[in-house]
Amino acid sequence: NAGVMQNPRHLVRRRGQEARLRCSPMKGHSHVYWYRQLPEEGLKFMVYLQKENIIDESGMPKERFSAEFPKEGPSILRIQQVVRGDSAAYFCASSPQPVNQPQHFGDGTRLSIL
Amino acid sequence: LAKTTQPISMDSYEGQEVNITCSHNNIATNDYITWYQQFPSQGPRFIIQGYKTKVTNEVASLFIPADRKSSTLSLPRVSLSDTAVYYCLVGDGNAGNMLTFGGGTRLMVKP
Repeated sequence: NAGVMQNPRHLVRRRGQEARLRCSPMKGHSHVYWYRQLPEEGLKFMVYLQKENIIDESGMPKERFSAEFPKEGPSILRIQQVVRGDSAAYFCASSPQPVNQPQHFGDGTRLSIL
Repeated sequence: LAKTTQPISMDSYEGQEVNITCSHNNIATNDYITWYQQFPSQGPRFIIQGYKTKVTNEVASLFIPADRKSSTLSLPRVSLSDTAVYYCLVGDGNAGNMLTFGGGTRLMVKP
């Protein structure tokens, strides 16, 4: 039973470019969450999605960031016009249902902005 | 969401039992307590979850007193591979199960 798969594991972009981070949830999981982690800090919630719906994006910056979870395919976190401050590890988690079910995390995408 | 407080770091030796306590004074009636473990360059890994009293699984035990204002993660006979950051989280799971991570406890297991 494959876990949460994220790709790429490492992504390097220059300032102003776009970054696309992909997340395939565990089989049978229809809830996806994205978190960001800066060095030496805990994870910070960004967005919660179900298939074709954004449920909670309260942790997402208002500009340049967007997320989707289409009916078919992985969830995508998209960062446009990246800046140095976007450098971080981005983790995706999934769960089968939201109520008191532990989330299962992928190993993240480490985004570096040159 | 209830805020949690846990020690920044702890040291232990192989074979010892390690207890990490987390304070959550504002825990709500519907809140569960969940612990995650994170190794460098990896995502958090679920360890254990509980609501009250004691929960035990193959890797850890979780002790929750009656007032639920704190909880203690107990790791029996730690090994070097248990060196990691341990996060205590509190939430009711109904807010989209959004997890709020604090700074965690860095456990260093020495030989």
